[in-house]
Amino acid sequence: EVQLVESGGGLVQPGGSLRLSCAASGFTFSNYEMNWVRQAPGKGLEWVSYISSSSSTKDYADSVKGRFTISRDNAKNLLYLQMNSLRAEDTAVYYCVREGTTILNFDYWGQGTLVTVSS
Amino acid sequence: QTVVTQEPSLTVSPGGTVTLTCASSTGALTGGYFPTWFQQKPGQAPRPLIYSTSNKHSWTPARFSGSLVGGKAALTLSGVQPEDEAEYYCLIYYDGARGVFGGGTKLTVL
Repeated sequence: EVQLVESGGGLVQPGGSLRLSCAASGFTFSNYEMNWVRQAPGKGLEWVSYISSSSSTKDYADSVKGRFTISRDNAKNLLYLQMNSLRAEDTAVYYCVREGTTILNFDYWGQGTLVTVSS
Repeated sequence: QTVVTQEPSLTVSPGGTVTLTCASSTGALTGGYFPTWFQQKPGQAPRPLIYSTSNKHSWTPARFSGSLVGGKAALTLSGVQPEDEAEYYCLIYYDGARGVFGGGTKLTVL
């Protein structure tokens, strides 16, 4: 059974940093591209970042470019999102998402971890 | 800034048929934009329904179908059930941006 379990969310002050982790199991992690998607309270979904299976390609939404860094450890089946210079508008539930064999085939999602940026 | 537009809300009667659409500010959508559809209920993670315009997942009910209509991506629900009441999001691929979500359509079954 495919499982994606996020951790690392919490309350952080504006300008602070946080690192999210996503533990993957039930599939060969190193074969799949991965993404982070977020959802602000009461709002819609926003794609945040993408990483290829080998980490050779990374993409970011304009709203987080230069502040967030995506990475992965295929030996440990872990996906990360390093978030720096956090702003109030980064407050959201962050989902770890597997991308299947076709572009944008976001086939498995974690349950999400809440990040709150507030003083 | 690319904008993906969905109907904010739609209402359908049980057993009826409804079509949700997804439009791009850049022009007509084609299969090369890999339109993707998700269903989300309150307090839950999004549930994938359709990928690459019209492909279903193994868990996608047969009453859901995806297509391209008039330059837009479309999600059609035929024989709507009360449990289909939810928010529906489309996702479109753009080179360099990976994916842009639409604002979502709140579907009410009444």
